[in-house]
Amino acid sequence: DGGITQSPKYLFRKEGQNVTLSCEQNLNHDAMYWYRQDPGQGLRLIYYSQIVNDFQKGDIAEGYSVSREKKESFPLTVTSAQKNPTAFYLCASTVQGRATNEKLFFGSGTQLSVL
Amino acid sequence: QKEVEQNSGPLSVPEGAIASLNCTYSDRVSQSFFWYRQYSGKSPELIMSIYSNGDKEDGRFTAQLNKASQYVSLLIRDSQPSDSATYLCAVNMGRLKVAQFYFGTGTSLTVIP
Repeated sequence: DGGITQSPKYLFRKEGQNVTLSCEQNLNHDAMYWYRQDPGQGLRLIYYSQIVNDFQKGDIAEGYSVSREKKESFPLTVTSAQKNPTAFYLCASTVQGRATNEKLFFGSGTQLSVL
Repeated sequence: QKEVEQNSGPLSVPEGAIASLNCTYSDRVSQSFFWYRQYSGKSPELIMSIYSNGDKEDGRFTAQLNKASQYVSLLIRDSQPSDSATYLCAVNMGRLKVAQFYFGTGTSLTVIP
């Protein structure tokens, strides 16, 4: 079955630690996105990528980093510079990330908490 | 500033009633609009997309779009307890062939048996 796989489902971070969230898709989509969701708030865009080896900052990129070495994979690293990392992180993808009628599909999410 | 606004609710309707969810957006030239359903602790699930003014029906769901008023709504007919969830409105406000999806804060719906 085609889809977007995020792992782990739950992740705990110690102070000063970097952690990496995995996102893999087998939909053959070009564009991939990372969103952060806090309770009572909408989804906020962290980073997006339309093509391998290229990515762009979203609205809240500070304290995060990404890579896009393969079309299928778009891992997100939450660095120690992110002082309030507790949130639900969602990876998403679309076919190209260019057309106006494209639809965004989500993985199952990773809940990150601070110890 | 690109914004999508929704009434956070909570909205409660009895089983079998019509639930009406509303959304406004700031970008006048946006072309595509979406409704997602999100159960607690789960990821959003796409339930409707709409691109042209007017109504679009899919089963018990009807999306309505009015670009002049920058308004999009979702009607759920014959509401069921399983429809209890948070509904997110999303708008593609991208430019220059870059799709960028902006989300509202969501409306919490409870269907009372």
